[in-house]
Amino acid sequence: NAGVTQTPKFQVLKTGQSMTLQCAQDMNHEYMSWYRQDPGMGLRLIHYSVGAGITDQGEVPNGYNVSRSTTEDFPLRLLSAAPSQTSVYFCASTQEGRPGELFFGEGSRLTVL
Amino acid sequence: QQQVKQSPQSLIVQKGGISIINCAYENTAFDYFPWYQQFPGKGPALLIAIRPDVSEKKEGRFTISFNKSAKQFSLHIMDSQPGDSATYFCALHSGGYQKVTFGIGTKLQVIP
Repeated sequence: NAGVTQTPKFQVLKTGQSMTLQCAQDMNHEYMSWYRQDPGMGLRLIHYSVGAGITDQGEVPNGYNVSRSTTEDFPLRLLSAAPSQTSVYFCASTQEGRPGELFFGEGSRLTVL
Repeated sequence: QQQVKQSPQSLIVQKGGISIINCAYENTAFDYFPWYQQFPGKGPALLIAIRPDVSEKKEGRFTISFNKSAKQFSLHIMDSQPGDSATYFCALHSGGYQKVTFGIGTKLQVIP
């Protein structure tokens, strides 16, 4: 059982480049979300989705784009990378009826030069 | 603005001791209070959680104490072990959209 799979695990970008962080879950969870983790800031919600075709902004959405075409996949797109987006990104999923019980991937470490 | 304030940011405890991490919140519109544990290089994982109508929940060596009137909750790790060394996050869950807000985290080191 793979759970939540994130790719790539590491990525280095130059300022202005774009890229997509991939997230896939095989648990048939309705809810998926993206967080970024920075020292001293905890985990901050970027975007979330309550089902295929439905997404919404979290606490820090600027500079990121998401879509949810299937239940399984929830990619995060960086449109024009900036050094402030250097962070560790986590994708998480959960199912209805299990409040607050997020299942996280192992993270994607992104460095923007 | 930070919806949940977590302290301390780092904690060193001797093996066998009690580790205590505290969190405080302001908004009352939360219905679930989970704690997450994160080891280096891994994603956070749910450790234990409590509902606001319960004052204490214990699972093994881990206990959550919840004070609704003071808007505070804490994690106690009894008989702390080196394997408990990790970062711990308190969190708040609100509403039906699975929006979970995290504290800044506490890095716990248990020394032999």
